[in-house]
Amino acid sequence: AQSVTQLGSHVSVSEGALVLLRCNYSSSVPPYLFWYVQYPNQGLQLLLKYTSAATLVKGINGFEAEFKKSETSFHLTKPSAHMSDAAEYFCAVSFTGGFKTIFGAGTRLFVKA
Amino acid sequence: SQTIHQWPATLVQPVGSPLSLECTVEGTSNPNLYWYRQAAGRGLQLLFYSVGIGQISSEVPQNLSASRPQDRQFILSSKKLLLSDSGFYLCAWTPGGSATNEKLFFGSGTQLSVL
Repeated sequence: AQSVTQLGSHVSVSEGALVLLRCNYSSSVPPYLFWYVQYPNQGLQLLLKYTSAATLVKGINGFEAEFKKSETSFHLTKPSAHMSDAAEYFCAVSFTGGFKTIFGAGTRLFVKA
Repeated sequence: SQTIHQWPATLVQPVGSPLSLECTVEGTSNPNLYWYRQAAGRGLQLLFYSVGIGQISSEVPQNLSASRPQDRQFILSSKKLLLSDSGFYLCAWTPGGSATNEKLFFGSGTQLSVL
């Protein structure tokens, strides 16, 4: 069965430090992969998505993610954290021919001044 | 441009009462529609999705049901709420068809508290 695992329910970084949020997926077919961000009491919005065109995907707000098939990973990074990056981040996966997007449990990012 | 409306924003209901949450999409035709629930610390759980009027797929057996009476309207219902139905409910849509490389467009959510 297809699934998504996000390592670490909470991640805390200092302002200006590297942000690394981990995501691993399980799939028997090539996946489409997404990262979404959720600010308090709001819906989710797309940060970036991987659809097999390029393994390094750049998104909004300076975030990027790299698809590594051998590691079944799609980790999200940002070189320098801002206070405004504090939010919850969700990794998600979908598959060709299906209709469903499956989400990980989420990682809450805290940014310290 | 497309927009998605979801209401109410917050709802407090007693155990055993009925529920109706509504979601409408504007600016597109024949969208795929979704209901997700977000419980604390548990991520987003897909509850129902619909690829057309009257077509509902249920992902998790539970106390809830969904209906799609019109092309761009998706309703989440319950006859009798349980405490475990509390959570943040999100409606979402994608363009029609099975192009699942498309992103989900989310509504602003409904915070449901069952007391």
